[in-house]
Amino acid sequence: EAGVTQFPSHSVIEKGQTVTLRCDPISGHDNLYWYRRVMGKEIKFLLHFVKESKQDESGMPNNRFLAERTGGTYSTLKVQPAELEDSGVYFCASSLPRLSYEQYFGPGTRLTVT
Amino acid sequence: GEDVEQSLFLSVREGDSSVINCTYTDSSSTYLYWYKQEPGAGLQLLTYIFSNMDMKQDQRLTVLLNKKDKHLSLRIADTQTGDSAIYFCAENSDRGSTLGRLYFGRGTQLTVWP
Repeated sequence: EAGVTQFPSHSVIEKGQTVTLRCDPISGHDNLYWYRRVMGKEIKFLLHFVKESKQDESGMPNNRFLAERTGGTYSTLKVQPAELEDSGVYFCASSLPRLSYEQYFGPGTRLTVT
Repeated sequence: GEDVEQSLFLSVREGDSSVINCTYTDSSSTYLYWYKQEPGAGLQLLTYIFSNMDMKQDQRLTVLLNKKDKHLSLRIADTQTGDSAIYFCAENSDRGSTLGRLYFGRGTQLTVWP
């Protein structure tokens, strides 16, 4: 069974540009999460989808970040316009409908804003 | 302050036991986790323990939970060079929001010397 996949694995953009990260969860996993790790810091929660609905988006840093999950399958996280402090590794995780405590993570997307 | 704390570095010799420690602050934690991140890879769910348990053993891994002191540890027996990685402690509690959001520590870099 395929795990959580993320694309791209690495993105380097200039300040002010737009970047879109994609996450494909494990098939059948209704729960999808986005997390971010800024260099050397803890991994922080961004938001949680249940199917296509945003269950909890309290971790989103500001309105430059937009997450979508149309159709309840894959999800995108857009950063527009990107700032230097957005650099970090963005992780996606997914879990089964009634096993939200068992989250499986993707390999992450390393975003570098210059 | 941080909700989940762990030491940043640990070095051991191959064949010795490793003990990685973690403290957390939320007494309502439901599940506590250990994730492993190898270089260039994503987060691998190693093991987790439900808050009403004191211990969980899985092959070379032993998780100990002291709920009174809010202390979690991961012991790796017969540590191998392949165990070199970053180990993240995490907890999952319902803090007025949806159960499912994980709170992570900064990670402990385990280095195993041959």
